[in-house]
Amino acid sequence: GAVVSQHPSRVICKSGTSVKIECRSLDFQATTMFWYRQFPKQSLMLMATSNEGSKATYEQGVEKDKFLINHASLTLSTLTVTSAHPEDSSFYICSAGLSGGTDTQYFGPGTRLTVL
Amino acid sequence: TQLLEQSPQFLSIQEGENLTVYCNSSSVFSSLQWYRQEPGEGPVLLVTVVTGGEVKKLKRLTFQFGDARKDSSLHITAAQPGDTGLYLCAGVRGNTPLVFGKGTRLSVIA
Repeated sequence: GAVVSQHPSRVICKSGTSVKIECRSLDFQATTMFWYRQFPKQSLMLMATSNEGSKATYEQGVEKDKFLINHASLTLSTLTVTSAHPEDSSFYICSAGLSGGTDTQYFGPGTRLTVL
Repeated sequence: TQLLEQSPQFLSIQEGENLTVYCNSSSVFSSLQWYRQEPGEGPVLLVTVVTGGEVKKLKRLTFQFGDARKDSSLHITAAQPGDTGLYLCAGVRGNTPLVFGKGTRLSVIA
């Protein structure tokens, strides 16, 4: 089946540093990838839609200069949390669709970010 | 406003009991998906329902899509501790991203 990986699975950093999270589709090409964040005991909140070779589309309220998304190839999208602060601590999850559409998304295992 | 309302939010039951989780909306979806998520992991797709009135079974799990494609339910028969997790419904509308409900956190006690 379709497998999506994320790296790192867990990261702890100091306030003010930047953190890059990678999302890879291992056995298929993903024209579109999605980035979500999830606070403890809450549902997934879509942050942005990442399209290969073009700029990401951010959801309302998500700062594009803070959460930099790059989708340079059909199998890799990255999310960089710039100048991270404790309030950015969260569980970040990416997903990728097989056909580039919005249905049948496969989710990565998530990255737990803790900003001290 | 939450486009997809899930209920209940929390559910704690004894092993062997049956339960139903609901996912309701005032909007029509072209399809609706159910996921299960365990702590520290990403959601795993359980099923996609597409046709109004459709019923799909996955072992002890029965999923139903409402006739009007605005709501769905998940019924678990004889729940087991391994069913414990966060159950999320997500709706698909055209080319817009998935819309997730807030989830139902199920705890099955042995």
